[in-house]
Amino acid sequence: GAVVSQHPSWVICKSGTSVKIECRSLDFQATTMFWYRQFPKQSLMLMATSNEGSKATYEQGVEKDKFLINHASLTLSTLTVTSAHPEDSSFYICSARIGTENSPLHFGNGTRLTVT
Amino acid sequence: AQKITQTQPGMFVQEKEAVTLDCTYDTSDPSYGLFWYKQPSSGEMIFLIYQGSYDQQNATEGRYSLNFQKARKSANLVISASQLGDSAMYFCAMRDRQYNFNKFYFGSGTKLNVKP
Repeated sequence: GAVVSQHPSWVICKSGTSVKIECRSLDFQATTMFWYRQFPKQSLMLMATSNEGSKATYEQGVEKDKFLINHASLTLSTLTVTSAHPEDSSFYICSARIGTENSPLHFGNGTRLTVT
Repeated sequence: AQKITQTQPGMFVQEKEAVTLDCTYDTSDPSYGLFWYKQPSSGEMIFLIYQGSYDQQNATEGRYSLNFQKARKSANLVISASQLGDSAMYFCAMRDRQYNFNKFYFGSGTKLNVKP
């Protein structure tokens, strides 16, 4: 069964509004979660690493004020797309790892965001 | 330089035949991990198989096997006895360590179509 739960699975919002996406680890504690963005027919691009109890680590080129990440507990990380614009429309997917560094990433089912 | 390279944007295979999806990687970290994921049209990322850089034998998981050629830095995925349900995007990924921090990198993907 799923070990990472992501909600919502899809969302449509108006330009200028903010959208929050939740990522939960089920039955395990995740001190680190990863947020990816995927454009149609393209690969996954790492946006940021979410660290429980501390600031997220953003990849180069990702606006931290646009994509707010909060990892307030060991089972929940949230990504808020602030003042969304149509170019933010994309597939956002979170992941976490159980166990050692050689363990695979387990992914949520992703959130398809459409900004109109 | 690209960390992970998948040179086959699309592949076709006849049902019940075997198919090889190519993946080459680049890293200076002696301890790394290689992963393959399947992404159906629904969007979720499904972990298939893992190969550690120090593993002496090629990894196998049911119909999936990994042809690991360390000197060539290649980690090709072999799917035996293809099924219609194998039609999906396939991503090769690598975990290595930079500045004492683990990162996952994904290739551009290969779209596999299994023909009846």
